[in-house]
Amino acid sequence: AQSVTQLGSHVSVSEGALVLLRCNYSSSVPPYLFWYVQYPNQGLQLLLKYTTGATLVKGINGFEAEFKKSETSFHLTKPSAHMSDAAEYFCAVSGPSNTGNQFYFGTGTSLTVIP
Amino acid sequence: DTAVSQTPKYLVTQMGNDKSIKCEQNLGHDTMYWYKQDSKKFLKIMFSYNNKELIINETVPNRFSPKSPDKAHLNLHINSLELGDSAVYFCASSRAGPSYGYTFGSGTRLTVV
Repeated sequence: AQSVTQLGSHVSVSEGALVLLRCNYSSSVPPYLFWYVQYPNQGLQLLLKYTTGATLVKGINGFEAEFKKSETSFHLTKPSAHMSDAAEYFCAVSGPSNTGNQFYFGTGTSLTVIP
Repeated sequence: DTAVSQTPKYLVTQMGNDKSIKCEQNLGHDTMYWYKQDSKKFLKIMFSYNNKELIINETVPNRFSPKSPDKAHLNLHINSLELGDSAVYFCASSRAGPSYGYTFGSGTRLTVV
């Protein structure tokens, strides 16, 4: 079975500071990992994903994430926060289930950027 | 150009009414989903259809009934609406296989009064 834990339901950073959003996963098979962003009153948009290959994955808007198998983590980072990064961020793991492939979302982390 | 489109975007209705939400995708994906997002932003899968066949049917009241007339459409009908049904409902689609992400619609905010 697969599951995702996002540590910290709310994260605040100053504009220009490092953004670090934490995600740990549990998976009985090699995981496929995703980060989604949800801006206010919008749907979820794919930021980046890890499937196979290079463990450091670059996404849109300057975000990146590193798959660390030994730590079962897939933390999302951005070197310098921008006001427009304020949003809800969801980590997800995808894998097989008895009903076919299924996504398992974390509970989300709300990012606030302080000017 | 919209990949996954949902209508309506907002829906305000009284308790006891029946309402439908429509979803269409033009991506050629085989699988479509309905998710419910509550006030705490938690996403819960409700249904999944693959090529018009119901794949996932989580613990959802049977007042909720999905219908997929073809693989590009997945509609959600809700009978006898209750206050607790108030939420944002998202439609999504994906290609077959776990490495493909989901493409989400912009959501339907349902408010039951």
